[in-house]
This record gives sequence, C-alpha cells and structure tokens, in this order.
Amino acid sequence: GAVVSQHPSWVICKSGTSVKIECRSLDFQATTMFWYRQFPKQSLMLMATSNEGSKATYEQGVEKDKFLINHASLTLSTLTVTSAHPEDSSFYICSASGLAGGTGELFFGEGSRLTVL
Amino acid sequence: TQLLEQSPQFLSIQEGENLTVYCNSSSVFSSLQWYRQEPGEGPVLLVTVVTGGEVKKLKRLTFQFGDARKDSSLHITAAQPGDTGLYLCAGERTGTYKYIFGTGTRLKVLA
Repeated sequence: GAVVSQHPSWVICKSGTSVKIECRSLDFQATTMFWYRQFPKQSLMLMATSNEGSKATYEQGVEKDKFLINHASLTLSTLTVTSAHPEDSSFYICSASGLAGGTGELFFGEGSRLTVL
Repeated sequence: TQLLEQSPQFLSIQEGENLTVYCNSSSVFSSLQWYRQEPGEGPVLLVTVVTGGEVKKLKRLTFQFGDARKDSSLHITAAQPGDTGLYLCAGERTGTYKYIFGTGTRLKVLA
C-alpha cells in the first residue's frame, strides 16, 4: 500500500515555542491531507483538511491561527503548533488521499507525539 | 455534527472467544472504514465498505455495513492475542472524502 511518513515521531518543546510536524506521501501524489489529534486512550479527532495549493479547512473549534497548516506540494503538508502550551500535548496524525479513481482511501502516517513542558 | 458511537468501549476476553464491535450513527455515510491501531502508531486500514448491506470477510474478521449505511459491525471469530488493539470505525461524510472517527473500542485478548 501507499506510504505516508511523518516527522518527527516525537518532540518535546518548551511552552511558548512553535513546533512543525511534516507529513509526506512517499510514493503517490496526495491532493488532500488530513490532520488529526488523538488524546491518550481516545479516538482521532479531525482538525483540518489540507488541499494542495489552497488554504486549509478547519473543523469547528480548531484555532487556525494556533495550528498553521501548509500544503505547498502534492507530497508534503506541514502542521505548525504555534506558541505551544502543555494542553497542546497530544498525538498528531496525518492521513493522505490521492483520490486515485475517487476511492477516497486514506493512508495514515505513523503519528507524531508532542509533549509541551 | 455527525457522531459515530462504538460499543463496547472496552473488551477483555480470553483467546478463542468470539466478539462483535458495533459502530452506530444517526447519519448516513458514503462509506465506512474499520481500522486497528497499536499504541504509538497510526491506524491501519482493515476494510472499506461502501454498499448498504455489504459484508466483507478478512480471515477471522467479518465486517458488515448496515442497509441504511448508518451503522456497521465487526465480528471477530476465535480471537487471538494478536488481535489486541484499538479498533476504530470511520465514516465518510457524504461526498467529501472526510472521515469522522468513531469513539473507539479497546480490545484485549488474553492468552
């Protein structure tokens, strides 16, 4: 199956700093990428939809100025957590859809664990 | 807001037992997927069901999509310790390719 890679796998940062997480589709062109966050022992919550070359669409309740998303190419989307605080600590997961044939199949990254001290 | 409720939330069973996980919603979905997730990793797709009433089998796992495309079930026969994990259903918002995840079912199979 298709491969989606996230980097870094884990990151620890100080409160007030910004952290960038990358999501790359390694063997296909991802026209659409999705960002999720997952708290311990909970399900995934969709944060935003990232479309190549256009602004991301954020879900209700997600601060777009807090979670900056850039999808500058068909193989890379980035999520920047700005001025991170301890409550932003979470497992962030991306998924990518190549929409090949309109199947809508999603391929997930390995996830990035953010810990804000 | 479309919600997907899974039941049970937690399940601990002995190896060899059968189990069924349910995924229910009041909304209609274009398609529904089931995933299994290990701690610290991303979800891994198990199956996608598209047609109301569709049944798919994957070895010991049987997936069914409700006739009205509002609910789904996952049945595991003769569970094994390797089946342990978080099972997530995800419904596609009609025509959007956005998947909303269910509340999750944490399964533990004891040897």
